[in-house]
Amino acid sequence: AQTVTQSQPEMSVQEAETVTLSCTYDTSESDYYLFWYKQPPSRQMILVIRQEAYKQQNATENRFSVNFQKAAKSFSLKISDSQLGDAAMYFCAYCSGNQFYFGTGTSLTVIP
Amino acid sequence: ETGVTQTPRHLVMGMTNKKSLKCEQHLGHNAMYWYKQSAKKPLELMFVYNFKEQTENNSVPSRFSPECPNSSHLFLHLHTLQPEDSALYLCASSLGTGHNYEQYFGPGTRLTVT
Repeated sequence: AQTVTQSQPEMSVQEAETVTLSCTYDTSESDYYLFWYKQPPSRQMILVIRQEAYKQQNATENRFSVNFQKAAKSFSLKISDSQLGDAAMYFCAYCSGNQFYFGTGTSLTVIP
Repeated sequence: ETGVTQTPRHLVMGMTNKKSLKCEQHLGHNAMYWYKQSAKKPLELMFVYNFKEQTENNSVPSRFSPECPNSSHLFLHLHTLQPEDSALYLCASSLGTGHNYEQYFGPGTRLTVT
């Protein structure tokens, strides 16, 4: 069965610093996508970044980048130059076919 | 504004009540989803609809009954719920199903079952 594990329930980062959120997953599939979603307090969940499993190059979106290690089944999110608006719950997700599997989330606090 | 709206935003209901959650998307998408988000648990995919047809039902109890009259609207009918059903229920939509389509989420309905 596919599972997604986020081992860090809470993380904090100083404003303007860099933080890395961890995610591992378990699957026997070879074709899948991985996602990081952000859910700010009392606001809608939005997609931060996604990675196709068949692509070796790590995805980047402005200050957000991933470190995708397919063999290790690891998909970490790096946030550079952290801003106060980055404070949120971050969910790692795996998708294959029509099925999405989410992790339990990491609550990120940004310290001014 | 992601174009997915959900009503009501908050709902308190007794175990014998019948209520419905509504989701509407204004994005021209063809697929819609219901998720359950409980504290300290992974988001759980409940149902998937594509072009109004249910394509996934992840072993959801029959006290949850989805309805998709068209590609823009999705309902979740609730009856005889249990306290453990209290959670945030999220609706999402995407242009198509499958892993290459981004899902857009609504703000959720916070459900409390008393």
